[in-house]
Amino acid sequence: EAGVTQSPRYAVLQEGQAVSFWCDPISGHDTLYWYQQPRDQGPQLLVYFRDEAVIDNSQLPSDRFSAVRPKGTNSTLKIQSAKQGDTATYLCASSFLQPNQAPLFGEGTRLSVL
Amino acid sequence: QQKVQQSPESLIVPEGGMASLNCTFSDRNSQYFWWYRQHSGEGPKALMSIFSNGDKKEGRFTAHLNKASLYVSLHIKDSQPSDSALYFCAGMPNYNVLYFGSGTKLTVEP
Repeated sequence: EAGVTQSPRYAVLQEGQAVSFWCDPISGHDTLYWYQQPRDQGPQLLVYFRDEAVIDNSQLPSDRFSAVRPKGTNSTLKIQSAKQGDTATYLCASSFLQPNQAPLFGEGTRLSVL
Repeated sequence: QQKVQQSPESLIVPEGGMASLNCTFSDRNSQYFWWYRQHSGEGPKALMSIFSNGDKKEGRFTAHLNKASLYVSLHIKDSQPSDSALYFCAGMPNYNVLYFGSGTKLTVEP
């Protein structure tokens, strides 16, 4: 079975540029999460979806960040006007909505903002 | 939002030794707990879950949960160099969202 697929694996930007991250979750998983992981820290939730609906986006850092999952499958996370403080790895995870199902993570996109 | 305190920040153990990692959680609604492991350049991978008070053993790994204290731990017996990684505890209130600790960097020296 294919895992969670993310692209690109790496991105390097100048401050002020925009970037999009793409996630293809495991087929059939109804719940999709985006996490931000600064270097040598734990993943921090940004937003999550159940099917196409945003359940909680209160942790998105600012209106520079947006996320969509239009058909309840793939998802895109976008940063408008990136800042140096956005430097981190962006992780996508997916799961079924069941307590004994561990969210499965992709390899992440490592973003550097210069 | 769930706060998760994890300790120690880093840990060095000799090959064959025992590694012990600890976490405390702030949200008393937390009922489901996980340990994840992350090797360099990879995404986190679920190691084991624990949902009931007491100990749960899977091979060389033993997780412990005390819900009254909101405390979980992970013990790795007979540590191997391949166990060197970042380890995260994570709590899930009401099978909703996982909140992660800050991580423990484990180094197993041959």
